[in-house]
Amino acid sequence: YGLTQPPSVSVAPGQTARITCGGDDIGSKSVHWYQQKPGQAPVLVMYFDDDRPSGIPERFSGSNSGNTATLTITRVEVGDEADYYCQVWHRRSDPLYVFGTGTNLNVL
Amino acid sequence: EVQLMESGGDLVQPGGSLRLSCAAAGFTFNDYAMSWVRQAPGKGLEWVSTIAGNSDDTSYIGSVKGRFTISRDNSKNTLFLQMKSLRAEDTAIYYCVRLRQFAFEIWGQGAMVTVSS
Repeated sequence: YGLTQPPSVSVAPGQTARITCGGDDIGSKSVHWYQQKPGQAPVLVMYFDDDRPSGIPERFSGSNSGNTATLTITRVEVGDEADYYCQVWHRRSDPLYVFGTGTNLNVL
Repeated sequence: EVQLMESGGDLVQPGGSLRLSCAAAGFTFNDYAMSWVRQAPGKGLEWVSTIAGNSDDTSYIGSVKGRFTISRDNSKNTLFLQMKSLRAEDTAIYYCVRLRQFAFEIWGQGAMVTVSS
């Protein structure tokens, strides 16, 4: 099972960034999203499609339907610049926990 | 404060062995499944292994089955990853991660493992 993300997304500060994650019938699975800044460990920013962990700004939201899950970041800030990964659990896959290919968010 | 601290990363020759440890603090360790996730230099994230809170279930990515063993000592709040027959492609930062249902909720800072002659 594979998850495909665009290699990069560019957006100006204050605009809205949408990072997609494509997978076969991904809408039937729970999708989680991670933010990784250079030299740092990943941080969970969205889980179970659209739930935000405590401490994650309301500017971050998620959706999931059909073959595409989306992480949306409104009012993008320079500090949001990072790599973003989607992830699902798939019981009949190797690996069981599948990460997307990753998207570099570039804030212009 | 919830903390995960990995140790044991090192440079090892191909075919060699290494054991990683992860010390957990700030939560009831045996209430949570724990995982190892790795990241090769300049590459994406890759799940390696998971162990249930009471150690009654373990799972591995196919490429490490038979070579890596995950274990835990709940009395010492410590997670382990025993790695044998190491290959160049095992070179990566290895993160210790607390699992929440099927999401990787809390991450350590990582331990670097380099397999090279």
